[in-house]
Amino acid sequence: AQSVTQLDSQVPVFEEAPVELRCNYSSSVSVYLFWYVQYPNQGLQLLLKYLSGSTLVKGINGFEAEFNKSQTSFHLRKPSVHISDTAEYFCAVSDPSGATNKLIFGTGTLLAVQP
Amino acid sequence: NAGVTQTPKFQVLKTGQSMTLQCAQDMNHEYMSWYRQDPGMGLRLIHYSVGAGITDQGEVPNGYNVSRSTTEDFPLRLLSAAPSQTSVYFCASSYSGVGGSGNTIYFGEGSWLTVV
Repeated sequence: AQSVTQLDSQVPVFEEAPVELRCNYSSSVSVYLFWYVQYPNQGLQLLLKYLSGSTLVKGINGFEAEFNKSQTSFHLRKPSVHISDTAEYFCAVSDPSGATNKLIFGTGTLLAVQP
Repeated sequence: NAGVTQTPKFQVLKTGQSMTLQCAQDMNHEYMSWYRQDPGMGLRLIHYSVGAGITDQGEVPNGYNVSRSTTEDFPLRLLSAAPSQTSVYFCASSYSGVGGSGNTIYFGEGSWLTVV
């Protein structure tokens, strides 16, 4: 079975500082990996996804993530955050074979950007 | 283009009552799903459907029923509400499932349910 671990439940950071949100996955097969963002009182929207190819994936709002197969990680980064980036961020995994048609989420990381 | 629409947005139920959360999408998506979101637990999959007439269980299906009679609609029924079902519920859809193609899932804005 696939699973996702987001070790940091909350990450405080000052505005214009860099940030990294950590995501590790567990799977016996290859995976698709996703990062979603949830702004307060809203649904989730896709930031970026890794399906295949280049391990560095660029998404919306200046975010990027790097797929590291040897470390089973898919960490999200942004070189300079803004107040408006304050939100909860979810890492998710699915099975490319389609054997299980499920998107499995981590527990989320709250990014709190302070002025 | 409305996307994924959920109703109601807020609901308070008494223990033992039943209710239906409605979900509709206008993107002609084959795949639809329901998640619940609880503090510290992320989103957990309740039920999903890969097309009209086809449904399957997710991680936490107990206490919930679904049906998919049309491509557009995927209602979630609580048969006998319990306080443990107090949560935020999200409906989501994608073009053709999340496995095999890595399709993006589109979420509704959520339904806040309190069971007292």
